[in-house]
Formats: sequence, structure tokens, C-alpha cells
Amino acid sequence: AQTVTQSQPEMSVQEAETVTLSCTYDTSENNYYLFWYKQPPSRQMILVIRQEAYKQQNATENRFSVNFQKAAKSFSLKISDSQLGDTAMYFCAFMKLPGGSNYKLTFGKGTLLTVNP
Amino acid sequence: DGGITQSPKYLFRKEGQNVTLSCEQNLNHDAMYWYRQDPGQGLRLIYYSQIVNDFQKGDIAEGYSVSREKKESFPLTVTSAQKNPTAFYLCASSMWGRYNYGYTFGSGTRLTVV
Repeated sequence: AQTVTQSQPEMSVQEAETVTLSCTYDTSENNYYLFWYKQPPSRQMILVIRQEAYKQQNATENRFSVNFQKAAKSFSLKISDSQLGDTAMYFCAFMKLPGGSNYKLTFGKGTLLTVNP
Repeated sequence: DGGITQSPKYLFRKEGQNVTLSCEQNLNHDAMYWYRQDPGQGLRLIYYSQIVNDFQKGDIAEGYSVSREKKESFPLTVTSAQKNPTAFYLCASSMWGRYNYGYTFGSGTRLTVV
């Protein structure tokens, strides 16, 4: 079974600064998808960014980017120019390449990020 | 607008009662999922369904039941056999062949045992 580990239960950052959230995962698969989800105080889950393991290039979405290290099984999220609205719980998630019933998302336990003014 | 609707937003259950949480989607997604969220535990999969009239147990299915009679609907029943049902429940859906897009989530139901 796949496992996802987020080693930082809580982090804080000053507004406009950069912060990196860590995620590691354990799998024997070669092809898979990785995701970062954001859950603000409203508790609505929002997809932030996704990465396909067979793509070498790190994904980027505006102020959000990832550092995907396949050999190290690491998938960190960098938030640049942090904004107060980035305050949320962030979840890293893993999905095996779908086949049969293999389309389940496995989540880490989350990192609570607080952006301070 | 397409999306997933979960109801009610808050639900209170007495000891020994069964309660049903509603999840409806108008995204024409094939697969639907139920997750349970507890503080410090992340999201854990309860049940999932890929097609109508078919569903599979997730990692923590004990004390829960589901049905999938329509593509749009995937209700979750929390039975009296679930010993610790107080939690936040999230429903999600995804499209066949578009799993790399991740899931779309509902806004959740907070269940409290009183």
C-alpha cells in the first residue's frame, strides 16, 4: 500500500515571503500522479497543483510550484509571495496510474500553514 | 454551475441511530468517493464507486454503508455500528480517464454524536 508523509504538522510564514512544504511518499510503482490540495477555514478542498510522474518538468501554477524528485520520492510545494489567503491546511496526495480499481487518492496528514501579516 | 452538493452541512446523531449523508453531483462524473477527516489524521477513504450499482470498501468501511442507484448520487449511511462517528465527511467525484485531474470535492458534512 502507498503511504504519504507530511513531516511538518504546522508552519508559518510572513506575508510576501516564500515557504516550502514537504511531502514524501512510498511506492513501488513507476507511473503515478501527485497532487497538492488546499483546505482553507471554509473546509472546501481545492486542487492547487498536480504532477504526473512520467513528466520530468516540475509543475507550476502561478505562485505555486513543486520540486518533484522521483528517485527520492519527494514532492515539495513552494509558495512564493505568500498571501493571507494562503492560510490553510495543505494536503499532499498520491494516486497510482489508474487501472482496475487503482484510482484512489491517498492523502498525507496535512500541514497547517499560517501566513502572518 | 456544475459541482458536488453535500447535505446537510451539520448533522447531529444520538447514540444508536443511523444517519444518512447526502452527496449529489451534476458533473457527469463516473466515480464517487467518501472520505472521513479527523484532526491530525488527514483524509481516509470509506467507500468508493466507479459505476452505478457497484461500490468497494475503502480503508475504514466498518460501520458505514453506501448505495449507488444513480450516477449522480452516492449517499453514505453511518450506522450504529460505527463507534466513533463524530467527524467531518467529504464526498468527491472524478471522471473516467481524467484521474490525473484529481477529484472534485463537496463542501462537507460535520457529523456530531450527542
